[in-house]
Amino acid sequence: DTAVSQTPKYLVTQMGNDKSIKCEQNLGHDTMYWYKQDSKKFLKIMFSYNNKELIINETVPNRFSPKSPDKAHLNLHINSLELGDSAVYFCASSQDHPRGQETQYFGPGTRLLVL
Amino acid sequence: KNEVEQSPQNLTAQEGEFITINCSYSVGISALHWLQQHPGGGIVSLFMLSSGKKKHGRLIATINIQEKHSSLHITASHPRDSAVYICAVSRGSEKLVFGKGTKLTVNP
Repeated sequence: DTAVSQTPKYLVTQMGNDKSIKCEQNLGHDTMYWYKQDSKKFLKIMFSYNNKELIINETVPNRFSPKSPDKAHLNLHINSLELGDSAVYFCASSQDHPRGQETQYFGPGTRLLVL
Repeated sequence: KNEVEQSPQNLTAQEGEFITINCSYSVGISALHWLQQHPGGGIVSLFMLSSGKKKHGRLIATINIQEKHSSLHITASHPRDSAVYICAVSRGSEKLVFGKGTKLTVNP
C-alpha cells in the first residue's frame, strides 16, 4: 500500500500542451504539498494545501494551478507547457498545519519532459 | 547565498567508514529536516529535529541551535547508503527551504 502516490510517473509532451499530475495520500494527513526539483536536483516548494485550502503559494507562474477536491488528493494542472517546466515534481503530505514541525512523506515523483 | 548550505557537495567513502555531512543555515528555524533521495529518485524523511540529537540505526543527527548548524553522521557506512542527503529548514508556519544536497557514494 503506497502512502503517497502520484500519476503518471513519466510524462513526455510537446510545448504548449496542457497536462495534469495527480496525487493521492492514504495517510489521513491534513496537509499536502507540491515541490519542483530542477535539473540541478534543487528542491523548491510550489504549493501547500491544508484541508483543501491553499496555504502556501510560492512565486509560481499562474499556468500552474493546484486543485484539491478533498484532503486526500492534490492535483497539479499545468497550462501551455514550456521547456523550462521540465523537471521532477514531487507531491508530499504531513499531519496537521504546516508549521514545519511535522515529518513529510513524499510521493515517488513525476518526471515531466517538455519537448 | 542560499539560506541553507550543505557541505560537502560530493563525498566518496569506502565501506565501513564513518561519514559526516554538514548543514548550516542563516535564519531562526522551528525545525531542521534531513532527507534521503535514493538513486532511483524517491525521497524519504530521515529525521526532524529542533534540538539535541536523534539516532536511528546507523544514522545520527545533531543540531546546535546557537551555532545554526546540524550534522548527519553515518556509522559503518555501506554501499546501500549511497544517495543524496538533503538538509531542509522550516520557520514557524513557513515552507521548507532546502539545501542543494550532498551526493554520497560508498564503495565496497
